[in-house]
Amino acid sequence: DIVMTQSPKSLAVSLGERATMNCKSSQSILHNSINKNYLAWYQQKRGQPPKLLIYWASTRESGVPDRFSGSGSGTNFNLTISSLQAEDVAVYYCQQYYITPSITFGQGTRLEIK
Amino acid sequence: EVQLLESGGGLVRPEGSLRLSCVGSGFTIKNYAMSWVRQAPGQGPEWVSTIAGASGGTYYATSVKGRFTISSDNSKNTVYLEMNDLRAGDSALYFCAKDVISTTTRYFDSWGPGTLVIVSS
Repeated sequence: DIVMTQSPKSLAVSLGERATMNCKSSQSILHNSINKNYLAWYQQKRGQPPKLLIYWASTRESGVPDRFSGSGSGTNFNLTISSLQAEDVAVYYCQQYYITPSITFGQGTRLEIK
Repeated sequence: EVQLLESGGGLVRPEGSLRLSCVGSGFTIKNYAMSWVRQAPGQGPEWVSTIAGASGGTYYATSVKGRFTISSDNSKNTVYLEMNDLRAGDSALYFCAKDVISTTTRYFDSWGPGTLVIVSS
């Protein structure tokens, strides 16, 4: 299985500031022939299921605010929130779908307000 | 609006069995791959099983293969997870999730609220 490692485990950022978190895969999840990275990001608020934010590493799901952006390629990826809002407090997970059906998730980054 | 609702969780003794159900609305399950994903407290989600919408092919995580069975009833727009020989390590919140394609697991654009399974004597 591909191991997804997220850092930091927790992150405290002031309202209106930028928040950036990282996800590393144990092998490349870039499909060279189509130049796509098989990576998704989810947001999970307390007591709720995960919510899809981004897929193909950088494509925002419909309805997701444009302050959320994904970047990276190969084995190293970032999720950035450009201007943190109070409603962004959550745990964020990355997930690879390069090896299917055995998809794997990271252990999450907890985002809090400083 | 796409909605998923799980049921069937509960407290069960080790080596016991449970059957989880997931009813979908606002879409047709046979057009999508449907999965069960579980999450233990404080942990990341863990993929458990998928049933492909087009072929009905089934896939399992190594940790549950031979003990869990996924199935679907298209007439009821419902997916099931039959869980046998349950172990303490199977304790988790079990989510039903809708994939974006029909053939295999990719990523999930809809999730149910989850049903809690606790395996304990």
